[in-house]
Amino acid sequence: GIQVEQSPPDLILQEGANSTLRCNFSDSVNNLQWFHQNPWGQLINLFYIPSGTKQNGRLSATTVATERYSLLYISSSQTTDSGVYFCAVEHSMIYNQGGKLIFGQGTELSVKP
Amino acid sequence: GAVVSQHPSRVICKSGTSVKIECRSLDFQATTMFWYRQFPKQSLMLMATSNEGSKATYEQGVEKDKFLINHASLTLSTLTVTSAHPEDSSFYICSTDRALTLRSYEQYFGPGTRLTVT
Repeated sequence: GIQVEQSPPDLILQEGANSTLRCNFSDSVNNLQWFHQNPWGQLINLFYIPSGTKQNGRLSATTVATERYSLLYISSSQTTDSGVYFCAVEHSMIYNQGGKLIFGQGTELSVKP
Repeated sequence: GAVVSQHPSRVICKSGTSVKIECRSLDFQATTMFWYRQFPKQSLMLMATSNEGSKATYEQGVEKDKFLINHASLTLSTLTVTSAHPEDSSFYICSTDRALTLRSYEQYFGPGTRLTVT
């Protein structure tokens, strides 16, 4: 099956700092999503980004599908950005299973005041 | 986006009993829902795909007789953990996928149910 690797596994930042999280995947994908899991366990949709670049406030994401990676940028980090960030992909070789996501292991971000 | 609810948010049960978890799609009709399990400090693992009006599709290694899934309507899927054991203690999360185009879907997750089996 498809492999999804995220780096770094852990990241500690001072409030106000910028960071880049990476997601590598081993095969072509139909879908790629970034999520933030808050301390209560809720997964919050950040980006649906199988290719291209998107921005939403202090967050932006870029997926280069031909090179099989995606990057999540967090600028001017805040303590509320703390939590686990997951990348998840839908393998394009899996037909008739719309939406079946494979998750990376996540990046645990801690932003200190 | 899409709004997904789960009930209960937290449950403690005794070993050997069964527990039912409900997942509801609140603002659109979901023909497909997904059930994931997450152990502490780990990622989400897909357990099964729930299809409205038909049998669920289970991932390899997931016991379908232990984790019973019913998707009886377009807004409700249920997961029943039968004869629960302490090793079934986990965080169970459901999701729905909302079609963006004919071939692309964005997935939205419920808040999760924390199951503790004593």
